[in-house]
Amino acid sequence: DVKVTQSSRYLVKRTGEKVFLECVQDMDHENMFWYRQDPGLGLRLIYFSYDVKMKEKGDIPEGYSVSREKKERFSLILESASTNQTSMYLCASGTKDTQYFGPGTRLTVL
Amino acid sequence: AQSVAQPEDQVNVAEGNPLTVKCTYSVSGNPYLFWYVQYPNRGLQFLLKYITGDNLVKGSYGFEAEFNKSQTSFHLKKPSALVSDSALYFCVLDTGRRALTFGSGTRLQVQP
Repeated sequence: DVKVTQSSRYLVKRTGEKVFLECVQDMDHENMFWYRQDPGLGLRLIYFSYDVKMKEKGDIPEGYSVSREKKERFSLILESASTNQTSMYLCASGTKDTQYFGPGTRLTVL
Repeated sequence: AQSVAQPEDQVNVAEGNPLTVKCTYSVSGNPYLFWYVQYPNRGLQFLLKYITGDNLVKGSYGFEAEFNKSQTSFHLKKPSALVSDSALYFCVLDTGRRALTFGSGTRLQVQP
């Protein structure tokens, strides 16, 4: 079974803090993705990576950065967290057609 | 602009009745379409995909989707709903970019 794990299920941070969300996959996938999920908006792509050290902006990259130093790990970084970044964050890996999702991290920024 | 739309925020259906979750798309060229499902407290899961060929696509858990080019629709269907089908369903479009475009989601509630 493909496994995509995310470092935290729930996270509470303060405005201005730097936040790291970690994602690990065990299927040697080249592609990894970060989305945020908000009610009524579906999933919106933040960033994705198609190889180690390779990344591409998604639809809403502002306020975020990413890091892919190893194939299995893809990190999402909130440089200075703001309250409008309170959301559910989903990581995925796989081909573009078939993506395997992690359980999500519900981030609250106070 | 290439996009996918789910016109219903929520669909309610009684157990045993047929269900339909609607999706329409806008794309230049041939569309590649998918359905994903998110069960409560579980990750998103791939359900089915349409690339080309038969307009009726069969997927997991007894679901199928009907591609209709003239109506630019890709509705998800199941002949007999189960309470365990209650979940959030996403219609997804491949716009040719490296990543997929997800719809806003439709919550399906199946009442016993």
